[in-house]
Amino acid sequence: QSVLTQPPSASGTPGQRVTISCYGSSSNIGSNSIYWYQQLPGMAPKLLIHSSNHRPSGVPDRFSGSKSGTSASLVISGLRSEDEADYYCAAWDDSLSTPVFGGGTTLTVL
Amino acid sequence: EVQLLESGGTLVQPGGSLRLSCAASGFTFSSYAMSWVRQAPGKGLEWVASISDSGGSTFFADSVRGRFTISRDNSKNTLYLQMNSLTADDTALYYCAKDALQRIRMIVVVPYFNYWGQGTLVTVSS
Repeated sequence: QSVLTQPPSASGTPGQRVTISCYGSSSNIGSNSIYWYQQLPGMAPKLLIHSSNHRPSGVPDRFSGSKSGTSASLVISGLRSEDEADYYCAAWDDSLSTPVFGGGTTLTVL
Repeated sequence: EVQLLESGGTLVQPGGSLRLSCAASGFTFSSYAMSWVRQAPGKGLEWVASISDSGGSTFFADSVRGRFTISRDNSKNTLYLQMNSLTADDTALYYCAKDALQRIRMIVVVPYFNYWGQGTLVTVSS
């Protein structure tokens, strides 16, 4: 069981807006930045969002991140078929003294 | 272009040992902390270990502490993971990952990895 909790699946149709949530606690999300990774099928993870709400260069602005209290969200606007992937949130945990990942959310584009 | 190329993964018996390598290029290897992250078949990502840019600080997940050692050779631009006393639970694709920032002092392991290798598969089975 992951320290950061994500829904196992999410779905949407092309053009839709999809939100993927990540729930944690005061020792991780509540006090540290969140990072989001996208893992396309058969590929290595790719950094999607850093420092809770910043996009690395090259990541489309359709992807955005936010954090409130002990939860975080990844929003994908204008959903495209190539967004079909697994998405993971991650953060440093002050209590465990380790970085932790969410269990991942598989996004299906219908 | 940043490249991370893992190697060393193979089939190993329970209780056995294995050393993984990650050859880095395209950046100043000695300026960045490096990490290993693994993914069991069909499962999510699990942080395994990290090492500071100089190699002076190391960090381990509880699941591998005492069995795994992380090291680096900055003269060879290579990261290593020595794995001992392997069990079936260690079966996974092992990725090496580069820290996105240069850090003066590594006190915590921020999971801010801007480059990942393609992984090397470790299978522990008799």
